[in-house]
Formats: sequence, structure tokens, C-alpha cells
Amino acid sequence: GNSVTQMEGPVTLSEEAFLTINCTYTATGYPSLFWYVQYPGEGLQLLLKATKADDKGSNKGFEATYRKETTSFHLEKGSVQVSDSAVYFCALTQAGNKLTFGGGTRVLVKP
Amino acid sequence: NAGVMQNPRHLVRRRGQEARLRCSPMKGHSHVYWYRQLPEEGLKFMVYLQKENIIDESGMPKERFSAEFPKEGPSILRIQQVVRGDSAAYFCASSPPRRASDSDEQYFGPGTRLTVT
Repeated sequence: GNSVTQMEGPVTLSEEAFLTINCTYTATGYPSLFWYVQYPGEGLQLLLKATKADDKGSNKGFEATYRKETTSFHLEKGSVQVSDSAVYFCALTQAGNKLTFGGGTRVLVKP
Repeated sequence: NAGVMQNPRHLVRRRGQEARLRCSPMKGHSHVYWYRQLPEEGLKFMVYLQKENIIDESGMPKERFSAEFPKEGPSILRIQQVVRGDSAAYFCASSPPRRASDSDEQYFGPGTRLTVT
């Protein structure tokens, strides 16, 4: 079956630092890949997505590139802010069906 | 355009009672998904429904749990005879029809936090 593995947190950074959260996946075929963000007490918000190999998703300064050769979809941001403190989930879906999530990575940005 | 709505936001039930969680998808969305998030864990898929049909219930426990998405009204996730292990956040998501360009995107509601005492 499909699976998603992402680095465990928490990740603690200072403001303006560079953020990378690693995500790798196992799936047959060509899944669509997503990053979701969850702020405390809230639901998940779609952050970005990529639907085919070498696609780059980007939003709010975050980027991730769909790497089929390494089955990875690492999330990056060049300069984090305190407001980026949240839990980030990598996920995949095939044919628009259920999402398979990684375990989540908690990010804490300190001023 | 209102987002996915879930109610109640918080629900407290004693062991043995029934919990009923409601989800109204985004306007124009015909697919509903339920996920469960245990404390400090990721989300696990439970069930996928279209109007009046269960498409995939592979993640739903065989006993005590059921889900429906009637022709009219919200989707309902029902948990009978709740136990402490059912305490979790339950999230609903919806997605557009398959013909839409963003049909693989799921939009999440704020969740229902169930506490079983």
C-alpha cells in the first residue's frame, strides 16, 4: 500500500532561518503530492501541491519539488517567520481518492 | 463561498453513549472524506463517500462506526457505544467533482474534538 514518511519534529528555528522538512513516499504509479499545514486547534489547510514529476508547488514562500527518481517531496522555505509555527503534513493521493499522510512535523519558530 | 463546516466543534460523551458528527461539504463538492487524528499523530483515513454511496470504507472500524452522506443534508459519522480510545479529532474533507481541474484537492473542516469520559 501507499505510505508517506516525513522527518520527525519538533524542528526549532530562529526567525529568518532556512527551513527544510524531508518527505519521502511509497506508491505505485503517479500519485499527486501535497503539503498541508495545521495551526493549533484548527483543521488542515492545503499549502501546496504537485501532480507530476519535476513539478514545483509553491505558496507563501514555501516550495516543494516532485522528485520521482528519489520519491521525495521535501518542503523548503528560505526565511521563516514566527507565524509559520505549525504542524506540517506531507500527503499523497491517487486518482483523487483517500489521502495518505505522513506523521506530521511540528515547527516552532522563535523570535 | 463557505468552507467545509463541521459540528459540533467539541463533543463530550460518556462511555457507552453515541456520538454523532456532522459535516457539510463546500458548495458544489460531491465527495466527502472522514479522517481521524489521535493525539500527537497524523491523520488516518476512515471513509470516502459520495451522495448516497460509500465508495471506500477500508479505514473504518468494522464495529460501532458508520457513515452516511444522504441526498439531502450533511454527512454523518456515527460512533455507537463510545470507548475512551475513540477520543480523537475527527476531520471531514470535501473535494470537487472529478471533472474539475482541482478534483484531487481536499478541503478540510475545522474538526470535531471528541472526548470520551
